[in-house]
Amino acid sequence: IAGITQAPTSQILAAGRRMTLRCTQDMRHNAMYWYRQDLGLGLRLIHYSNTAGTTGKGEVPDGYSVSRANTDDFPLTLASAVPSQTSVYFCASSVDGANTGELFFGEGSRLTVL
Amino acid sequence: GQNIDQPTEMTATEGAIVQINCTYQTSGFNGLFWYQQHAGEAPTFLSYNVLDGLEEKGRFSSFLSRSKGYSYLLLKELQMKDSASYLCAVKDSNYQLIWGAGTKLIIKP
Repeated sequence: IAGITQAPTSQILAAGRRMTLRCTQDMRHNAMYWYRQDLGLGLRLIHYSNTAGTTGKGEVPDGYSVSRANTDDFPLTLASAVPSQTSVYFCASSVDGANTGELFFGEGSRLTVL
Repeated sequence: GQNIDQPTEMTATEGAIVQINCTYQTSGFNGLFWYQQHAGEAPTFLSYNVLDGLEEKGRFSSFLSRSKGYSYLLLKELQMKDSASYLCAVKDSNYQLIWGAGTKLIIKP
């Protein structure tokens, strides 16, 4: 069982370039999330989706967009990358958005924007 | 604003007991989570508290006091593999998770 798969694992990107981080889950979870993790800060929610076809903005959505065409996939796009978007990005899922159950995380995508 | 506070770093000895505290101020409360994150890896779920009291799960226990906005994670019989960061997170009234910055636990032999 794969759980959540993220790609790429690591990427170095020139500022101004477009980048899509991929996330796929095989648990049939309704809710999916994108977080960024930076040293000294807690995980910060970028965007989320409570069910296929719907998305919402998290705490730090600017410069990012998401789509949820189906249950399994939740890609995160940086339209024009900036150095402040250098971070580790985690995709996560849960049974549903209001559920009090745990989050399942992907292994993370380390992005460096130069 | 919403805030989760936990110590930045703690050191403990193999075989000992350590308590990692977490205090929170959030708009509403729908549960508190503890996650473990080894360096370079994804966070993994440890515990969930929604009612006051102690939840025990093997060597790990988690305590919650909603009136005090306080939780702790207790790790017993520490092992070297427990060296990791421990993340406290609270679900607010909108069911959004608010995360602390994490406590890096260093275990010494």
